[in-house]
Amino acid sequence: KAGVTQTPRYLIKTRGQQVTLSCSPISGHRSVSWYQQTPGQGLQFLFEYFSETQRNKGNFPGRFSGRQFSNSRSEMNVSTLELGDSALYLCASSLDSGTGYTFGSGTRLTVV
Amino acid sequence: SQQGEEDPQALSIQEGENATMNCSYKTSINNLQWYRQNSGRGLVHLILIRSNEREKHSGRLRVTLDTSKKSSSLLITASRAADTASYFCAPGNNDMRFGAGTRLTVKP
Repeated sequence: KAGVTQTPRYLIKTRGQQVTLSCSPISGHRSVSWYQQTPGQGLQFLFEYFSETQRNKGNFPGRFSGRQFSNSRSEMNVSTLELGDSALYLCASSLDSGTGYTFGSGTRLTVV
Repeated sequence: SQQGEEDPQALSIQEGENATMNCSYKTSINNLQWYRQNSGRGLVHLILIRSNEREKHSGRLRVTLDTSKKSSSLLITASRAADTASYFCAPGNNDMRFGAGTRLTVKP
């Protein structure tokens, strides 16, 4: 079966711009989580969606937002980009909490 | 929610040796998961152990869970160069949080 698909794989944006990242989970998976990974901060939890509802949220500013569609596909949006937003953004999907998550390969965002 | 703390931060061994890494957490959990990440890639789910389980095996992996000590360990037996990666634990109920991980290097 197809894995978790994240698009695009690489992205370069300018400070102040906004960006939208996409995640297509494994078919049948209803939980989608997003993470930011940087060398300095490691893996940081952004948010989790389940059946179109944000179920959990990490400690990120309001510039970071997300949503989940009825087909479980998810997007995350970062507005007013800052240099510090440069990171690998990972999406993971699962049937539900309490089961293992499958991660995508990530989107590498560079803010210049 | 809580994140696990992996120990040691880094581990370097020879091929064929066993590697043990530990995870501690603070509050009670329903399950704990271990993941592996090769450089610059997404994480790969290794094993999930539930709070009512004490030990679980998967191939060369052995995971233990001690809920009284709020700790877990991951043992990789007969390590290979391909096991070189970062390993993370995620003690979670409804969401997964990760610590800094253990960076394992297996030298051929």
